[in-house]
Amino acid sequence: EVQLQQSGAELVRPGTSVKLSCKVSGDTITAYYMHFVKQRPGQGLEWIGRIDPEDDSTKYAEKFKNKATLTADTSSNTAYLKLSSLTSEDTATYFCTTDIVWGQGTLVTVSS
Amino acid sequence: TVLTQSPALAVSPGERVTISCRASESVSTGMHWYQQKPGQLPKILIYNEFSQAPGIPATFNGDEAELKFTLTIEPMEGDDVATYYCQQKLTLWTFGGGTKLELK
Repeated sequence: EVQLQQSGAELVRPGTSVKLSCKVSGDTITAYYMHFVKQRPGQGLEWIGRIDPEDDSTKYAEKFKNKATLTADTSSNTAYLKLSSLTSEDTATYFCTTDIVWGQGTLVTVSS
Repeated sequence: TVLTQSPALAVSPGERVTISCRASESVSTGMHWYQQKPGQLPKILIYNEFSQAPGIPATFNGDEAELKFTLTIEPMEGDDVATYYCQQKLTLWTFGGGTKLELK
């Protein structure tokens, strides 16, 4: 059974960056496209982008092209989401998903 | 592709619920529906317009007519109170804005 384990909650300062992780267990990460989804408090789901760990190819929603960077490490079966130039608008829970399986989410709070 | 969903709904127990999702262009790879309850992960209900995901009861059904997609729940039960999202998975994913379903 495939499971996704995401890194813990982050409290970060405005203007800084944060890197979130999503570790795959139960299968090899190269079997999946790894997607990341944003959900602000009380708001809907927004797709950020996806990475193919097989070849590191990525696709991003237009809105997140200058905000998010997706990477993957096949040796540790882990995908990463880096968010840069953080503002209060980035305060949200970030989910990773293979499409069928979802991680538990990482809450990022941007505050000074 | 922009997906526009119907606004929040309030329905009495036992009634039929219809949640709509209109696509701005053809969704050739199919439309999918998720349910999300407060504090929980999104859960897939319907994939490729009509197919119920494993474990999803027959009370949940999907349909489509050109660019309009619908999720029906019949009969409405208290456990169905949630926000429902449509989603398309062409090269880039898109979610609808969500429809919050409440009990009347």
